[in-house]
Amino acid sequence: DTAVSQTPKYLVTQMGNDKSIKCEQNLGHDTMYWYKQDSKKFLKIMFSYNNKELIINETVPNRFSPKSPDKAHLNLHINSLELGDSAVYFCASSQGSDQETQYFGPGTRLLVL
Amino acid sequence: RKEVEQDPGPFNVPEGATVAFNCTYSNSASQSFFWYRQDCRKEPKLLMSVYSSGNEDGRFTAQLNRASQYISLLIRDSKLSDSATYLCVVPRGSARQLTFGSGTQLTVLP
Repeated sequence: DTAVSQTPKYLVTQMGNDKSIKCEQNLGHDTMYWYKQDSKKFLKIMFSYNNKELIINETVPNRFSPKSPDKAHLNLHINSLELGDSAVYFCASSQGSDQETQYFGPGTRLLVL
Repeated sequence: RKEVEQDPGPFNVPEGATVAFNCTYSNSASQSFFWYRQDCRKEPKLLMSVYSSGNEDGRFTAQLNRASQYISLLIRDSKLSDSATYLCVVPRGSARQLTFGSGTQLTVLP
């Protein structure tokens, strides 16, 4: 029944490691997003894909690389993790129209030690 | 002016009170606006959309003042379950590219 799911829910890792977060939506939406919410609770968009094509790419270090194998999945790979990458990462999806709601996944809590 | 600015609170109100949050935005071209609600350690969820001057849904009323570039959210007869952070959201260009305010924290006290 879960509309937007993410794995893992929690991720604790050492600096310098490479890790991936996966996202899947079963809503039939054609647009997916990655957001980062830092310790001050600011929620900022990182990337957006529409039908597997990158349409939004905010100023994000190139250690972050999104991949969309199909329109129901959007994964985020992070190379050479840094302390400042510790945050909650939310995946979201929406239908194509500009008026459509974005539905968020439960978040992945990343802690870099 | 910041893209989206909210009073961070916290607002602590007794059950049954009426509480209002304001949000100002800088992009005068924005056509649609949203209020999202985020419970502690949960994901944001859409509470209300505002496309014209306002929107009402039960105890919640959102109003838009384009001339002054602010949006407000009014909660009447507040319940304990209304305790959450309320995020003002303004599209930047398109509704796919949302700018979130930092949120206003509400605690409803018994």
